[in-house]
Amino acid sequence: DAGVIQSPRHEVTEMGQEVTLRCKPISGHDYLFWYRQTMMRGLELLIYFNNNVPIDDSGMPEDRFSAKMPNASFSTLKIQPSEPRDSAVYFCASSSQRGGLETQYFGPGTRLLVL
Amino acid sequence: KQEVTQIPAALSVPEGENLVLNCSFTDSAIYNLQWFRQDPGKGLTSLLLIQSSQREQTSGRLNASLDKSSGRSTLYIAASQPGDSATYLCAAATEWGAQKLVFGQGTRLTINP
Repeated sequence: DAGVIQSPRHEVTEMGQEVTLRCKPISGHDYLFWYRQTMMRGLELLIYFNNNVPIDDSGMPEDRFSAKMPNASFSTLKIQPSEPRDSAVYFCASSSQRGGLETQYFGPGTRLLVL
Repeated sequence: KQEVTQIPAALSVPEGENLVLNCSFTDSAIYNLQWFRQDPGKGLTSLLLIQSSQREQTSGRLNASLDKSSGRSTLYIAASQPGDSATYLCAAATEWGAQKLVFGQGTRLTINP
């Protein structure tokens, strides 16, 4: 398996622009997580899905952030409009709760810089 | 609200030493506790997962322990090697089944040849 795939790996954009981050989870995994990592706040859970349904979005910082999972193999995290304080590394992770195997597998991350 | 703390923030030791990384959590009602490794510019790699009913888990030179009553977990690395240099993060799962993980800030480990 190729693991969790994220694109793009790096994104530089200007304040006010829309940013879309993409994630392909590991095939067969029924949970998908979006995290954000910054030096100040560490690694924070933004939102997670189970079977394509958003379960908890309490970590989403504000209405500028939205996430979707239209099918089991694809998810997006969108920021509109972007602001400099959104600069961070965004990770996607997936896991399977079947058989008690609950380890989360992380993608390589998308490094976002908003100027 | 669960809070996870890791001490020290950074650690530098000579190659070959045995070492312990510490993790503490405020809410003992955890489902499991996980240890991850993060290399610079990379994602996280799971090292060990300890269920709440377990006391420890071992994988190769790594041993993780869990003491729910005291709100602590430790990661023991035996015979450290330069390749062990990375940031180590612990995370507590706060809900059954869904693994809503709360992460510590990590310990940046450097093993000097």
